[in-house]
Amino acid sequence: NAGVMQNPRHLVRRRGQEARLRCSPMKGHSHVYWYRQLPEEGLKFMVYLQKENIIDESGMPKERFSAEFPKEGPSILRIQQVVRGDSAAYFCASSLNREPQETQYFGPGTRLLVL
Amino acid sequence: AQSVTQLDSHVSVSEGTPVLLRCNYSSSYSPSLFWYVQHPNKGLQLLLKYTSAATLVKGINGFEAEFKKSETSFHLTKPSAHMSDAAEYFCVVRTSSGSARQLTFGSGTQLTVLP
Repeated sequence: NAGVMQNPRHLVRRRGQEARLRCSPMKGHSHVYWYRQLPEEGLKFMVYLQKENIIDESGMPKERFSAEFPKEGPSILRIQQVVRGDSAAYFCASSLNREPQETQYFGPGTRLLVL
Repeated sequence: AQSVTQLDSHVSVSEGTPVLLRCNYSSSYSPSLFWYVQHPNKGLQLLLKYTSAATLVKGINGFEAEFKKSETSFHLTKPSAHMSDAAEYFCVVRTSSGSARQLTFGSGTQLTVLP
């Protein structure tokens, strides 16, 4: 059973470009979470999605960031008009069912560098 | 709101000696607590979790943690360190806000194992 898959693993963008990060949850998992890790810091929650629904986006920046988890295909975290401060590691996690205490399993992350 | 404080940003031990990584939590009710490990440029791996069952929790790779309500602590221990244990360790609490699925991470403890 493959784990959480993220691609690309590394992404370089120039200021003003768009960054698109993909996450495929573990097989059978329908809950996806995105976290951001800035250098020398712990992970910060961004958004929680179920298929076709955003459940909790309280950690998402108000502008330029969006996320989706369509009925088919991976979850996408999109960052428009990237700035240097967006440089970070972005981790996706997934869980199996609707119970809040369900374990979240993390992917290897996408490391975004904005030049 | 829940939070965790990791008391040491860096810990160094010699191979074969005990490991102690300290974590204190803040919560208005019995929390769900986790320890995750992150090896360089890798994703996060769950070591163990506490969800109001046994207060002494055994995890993978010989790690264990004890939930002490009176001290609001959830310290991670291992009797004998291996070189492969060198990594960053995060103490994590599941928050009650929003969807009750956000994980709040501590700032991390970098463990160095000396030969």
